[in-house]
Amino acid sequence: KQEVTQIPAALSVPEGENLVLNCSFTDSAIYNLQWFRQDPGKGLTSLLLIQSSQREQTSGRLNASLDKSSGRSTLYIAASQPGDSATYLCAVGTGFQKLVFGTGTRLLVSP
Amino acid sequence: GAGVSQSPRYKVAKRGQDVALRCDPISGHVSLFWYQQALGQGPEFLTYFQNEAQLDKSGLPSDRFFAERPEGSVSTLKIQRTQQEDSAVYLCASSLGAGGEQYFGPGTRLTVT
Repeated sequence: KQEVTQIPAALSVPEGENLVLNCSFTDSAIYNLQWFRQDPGKGLTSLLLIQSSQREQTSGRLNASLDKSSGRSTLYIAASQPGDSATYLCAVGTGFQKLVFGTGTRLLVSP
Repeated sequence: GAGVSQSPRYKVAKRGQDVALRCDPISGHVSLFWYQQALGQGPEFLTYFQNEAQLDKSGLPSDRFFAERPEGSVSTLKIQRTQQEDSAVYLCASSLGAGGEQYFGPGTRLTVT
C-alpha cells in the first residue's frame, strides 16, 4: 500500500528565506506527483504536476523535483512571502490515477 | 465553468439522516474523483469515474456511501444514515483524462450531530 510522508509537519520562516519541503513515498510505481497548497477552510490549489518520466517542474518561484527510484520529491520555494503561508500537500498518482496524499506541511512566513 | 464547483458548501445533518453532495466538474473533463478529508489530515480517495463509468470505488468506507455520475458530467455523492464519523470535508476533483492534473473544488464541509 502506497504511503506518503511529508517532513517537516510545520515550518516557520521569516520573509525572504528560501525553503525546501520534503515528500517521500514507499512505492516507486507512480504515474505522477502533484504538489498542492491549501488555505484554511478552502479547497486545494494545484501548484505543480510532475509526470513519472520527468525530473522537475518549475513555476515562478516554485521548483519541484522527483526522484522515483529513491521515492522522494522536494518543493523548493524561493524568496518566501507572507502570502505563501498555507498547508502544502504532496500527492502521488497511482492505479486509476487516484491520488494518495501526505498529511501536509504547514508553512508560516512572517513579515 | 471556470472551475470545479460543489454544493452545498456546508451541511449539518442529524445522525441517521441521508445527505447528497453535488459536484460540477470543469466542462469537458472526463475523469472525476471524490476524496474525504478529516481535520488535520490529507485527503483520502473515495471513488473515481471516467465519464459515467465508476471504475474504482475501493475507497468508499461502507455501503452507506454511494456515488453516481449518470450523464458523465455532474456527480452526486450520497451518504445514507449518516454517522458522526462521517463528519469531514468532501472534495471533488476533475481532470481531462488519464494521468492528467487534478483540479479540486472548494469542498463540502459535512458535520453530523
